Amino acid sequence: AQKVTQAQTEISVVEKEDVTLDCVYETRDTTYYLFWYKQPPSGELVFLIRRNSFDEQNEISGRYSWNFQKSTSSFNFTITASQVVDSAVYFCALSEPAAGNKLTFGGGTRVLVKP
Amino acid sequence: DVKVTQSSRYLVKRTGEKVFLECVQDMDHENMFWYRQDPGLGLRLIYFSYDVKMKEKGDIPEGYSVSREKKERFSLILESASTNQTSMYLCASSTSGVANEKLFFGSGTQLSVL
Repeated sequence: AQKVTQAQTEISVVEKEDVTLDCVYETRDTTYYLFWYKQPPSGELVFLIRRNSFDEQNEISGRYSWNFQKSTSSFNFTITASQVVDSAVYFCALSEPAAGNKLTFGGGTRVLVKP
Repeated sequence: DVKVTQSSRYLVKRTGEKVFLECVQDMDHENMFWYRQDPGLGLRLIYFSYDVKMKEKGDIPEGYSVSREKKERFSLILESASTNQTSMYLCASSTSGVANEKLFFGSGTQLSVL
């Protein structure tokens, strides 16, 4: 069975602060994919990143960075120098090829960035 | 721009009504999905389809059915709506060309069952 846990339900920061969102997953498979999606107030989830289980390199994209640690089954997401436009709900998700193209989502973390 | 369109943004229905939620994608994607989103529970998969006229149960299919008569359209049906089906419903699609390709989502339908 798959499971994705996002322990933080809501995080509130002041603009320009850094914020880290935790994601811990469970899977028995050696091949799997991890995702992060952003859901702004408009409602439409937007894809941010996909990482396969064999690629543990951390990734940076602008103010966003991701830290993948297989040893702790975590795939954490950091927003550096947060901005008001970063206010959204962020979802971590897991999929396994053996389960088809189905995603199992975490409960989501709401990020509120105050000016 | 690629697009997944859900027919209604907000919907209010009565208990016992038959409810249709429509989803159309213009990307020629093979895979389509229906999720419901509830606070603290994230997104949970209701049904999905990998091809026309094909459907598979997701994690919470009870009380729902689906229809996929055309590749671009995937409908979610609540045969007899109940108050516990009040939720945000999200449709998504993806290509089958690449394993575990990212999903494209619609903006969601907030359904209230009174």
